[in-house]
Amino acid sequence: EAGVAQSPRYKIIEKRQSVAFWCNPISGHATLYWYQQILGQGPKLLIQFQNNGVVDDSQLPKDRFSAERLKGVDSTLKIQPAKLEDSAVYLCASSLDRVSGTGYGEQFFGPGTRLTVL
Amino acid sequence: AQKITQTQPGMFVQEKEAVTLDCTYDTSDQSYGLFWYKQPSSGEMIFLIYQGSYDEQNATEGRYSLNFQKARKSANLVISASQLGDSAMYFCAMRRSGGGADGLTFGKGTHLIIQP
Repeated sequence: EAGVAQSPRYKIIEKRQSVAFWCNPISGHATLYWYQQILGQGPKLLIQFQNNGVVDDSQLPKDRFSAERLKGVDSTLKIQPAKLEDSAVYLCASSLDRVSGTGYGEQFFGPGTRLTVL
Repeated sequence: AQKITQTQPGMFVQEKEAVTLDCTYDTSDQSYGLFWYKQPSSGEMIFLIYQGSYDEQNATEGRYSLNFQKARKSANLVISASQLGDSAMYFCAMRRSGGGADGLTFGKGTHLIIQP
């Protein structure tokens, strides 16, 4: 079974530029998450989708970050304009509901996109 | 609000020894789930083990076990017979149970280095 796919793997931009990240979850996973992991810290949830609806975006800086999940499969996270403090790894994860699979509802993570803002 | 505390920024352990990674948590929820993830230098997060707040027995998965002490709000990860490949960052995380919003709250992690 293919894992969570993310692209690009690396991105370097100047501050005030815009950037977009793409995520393709594991087939059949209805729930998709975006996390931000700043160097030396644990991941921090930015947004959670259930199918194509937003469940939780309470920690998303909405003045500059946006995300969408059209058709309930792929998702795109955008930053516009980027700031220096946005330098981080952006992780996408997906999960089954807890009734299926192991019942744990564990999240499966992609390899991440490392963003450097200069 | 939920909070995860991992007090060991780094640990050095001899190969084949057992190692305990500490995790304490704070939550007002009655129902919650606790996870441990491994993050090698390549960056991907790998699920290791899960403990539900109502589970009566400590979780085990191969060489991994979770020492769950609910009254103390601790969920320590125990790795038995450590191997060189266990060198990585380890993160403890909590998920709220119930309701649709179930994103994870992570601790700052412990950098484990296994020495030959």
